[in-house]
Amino acid sequence: AQTVTQSQPEMSVQEAETVTLSCTYDTSENNYYLFWYKQPPSRQMILVIRQEAYKQQNATENRFSVNFQKAAKSFSLKISDSQLGDTAMYFCAFTYYFGNEKLTFGTGTRLTIIP
Amino acid sequence: EAQVTQNPRYLITVTGKKLTVTCSQNMNHEYMSWYRQDPGLGLRQIYYSMNVEVTDKGDVPEGYKVSRKEKRNFPLILESPSPNQTSLYFCASSTTVSNQPQHFGDGTRLSIL
Repeated sequence: AQTVTQSQPEMSVQEAETVTLSCTYDTSENNYYLFWYKQPPSRQMILVIRQEAYKQQNATENRFSVNFQKAAKSFSLKISDSQLGDTAMYFCAFTYYFGNEKLTFGTGTRLTIIP
Repeated sequence: EAQVTQNPRYLITVTGKKLTVTCSQNMNHEYMSWYRQDPGLGLRQIYYSMNVEVTDKGDVPEGYKVSRKEKRNFPLILESPSPNQTSLYFCASSTTVSNQPQHFGDGTRLSIL
């Protein structure tokens, strides 16, 4: 069974700085998807970015980018020019390319942006 | 507007009193799923459904039931709730045609006293 590990329970950074959240996973499959979800205090689960395992190029979405290292099974999220609205819980998640589409989540990293 | 709607958003109840959390999606998605979120554990899948009348257990199904009589609805039933089911619950849906991200509801905070 696949597992997802987020080793940083909490992080904080000054506004406008760059922060990197770590995620590692374990799977024996070759095809899969990885996601970062943001959960603000409103509790909504908001998709931040996704990465297909077969793509070598790292995904980017505006200020958010990932460093996907398939061999190392690492999937970190970089937030550039951090803003107060980035304060949230961030979850890394994994799903197979084909299958029942179950999402396996990490335990989350609580990120606080300090004004 | 494409959405997954959960009701209620909050519920405080007592041990043993049956309750149902409803989930409805308007995107004609085949796949629907329930997760529970607990501190330090992330989200864990309870049950899922690949289509009407097709349901299966996730990682933590004990104490829960589901049904999928219509494509749009996927209620979560707690026949005899217990305090260890106090949690934040999310319903999600997606299409199985291609591996598209799941759409999540806004969550239901359940407190079982």
